[in-house]
Amino acid sequence: QKEVEQDPGPLSVPEGAIVSLNCTYSNSAFQYFMWYRQYSRKGPELLMYTYSSGNKEDGRFTAQVDKSSKYISLFIRDSQPSDSATYLCAMSMGGGNKLTFGTGTQLKVEL
Amino acid sequence: DGGITQSPKYLFRKEGQNVTLSCEQNLNHDAMYWYRQDPGQGLRLIYYSQIVNDFQKGDIAEGYSVSREKKESFPLTVTSAQKNPTAFYLCASNINEQFFGPGTRLTVL
Repeated sequence: QKEVEQDPGPLSVPEGAIVSLNCTYSNSAFQYFMWYRQYSRKGPELLMYTYSSGNKEDGRFTAQVDKSSKYISLFIRDSQPSDSATYLCAMSMGGGNKLTFGTGTQLKVEL
Repeated sequence: DGGITQSPKYLFRKEGQNVTLSCEQNLNHDAMYWYRQDPGQGLRLIYYSQIVNDFQKGDIAEGYSVSREKKESFPLTVTSAQKNPTAFYLCASNINEQFFGPGTRLTVL
């Protein structure tokens, strides 16, 4: 079993929809949680960074962490075609420990 | 502008050759990382360095080597011992909130 599980998709939604992307993990020591957006043939871009449990909102993006369930989510409101990309979750124990990544979910927002 | 640069963007290598991928950052970060990305496998850590003149192996270090002589620079050499080097290579910096460069796509001919 992988430490971090992420549905690879592809996930196809109409423009304007609310998108929910999720990851589950098995290591209860993870404290830092990140979401990256990666366009084809580009480097990942950090979207959201959260510590421990709770919600964080930034514009159309909301990140949720539920440590009791070992489950993290990224919500995208009013999705746009420009949101079409692969979304990677990542997490770490902090203190310089490595990041562990999910395999990424491919999202396509259609007109 | 602050950021991470990687060069070249595309690199072609013949069997048996060593090649070096460049990574430079002007973010004043102590920690730097090299990842490899293959389809369906996510990012895997090759090497990392938390301070100048020090580095550690990641999960898939075999066939790779690095150096960290300057804070700004963390070059990766893909040696002929790496059995399957064709991949997308990504450099990152910072400890927890990691920032990535644009990547180098290496193809073995």
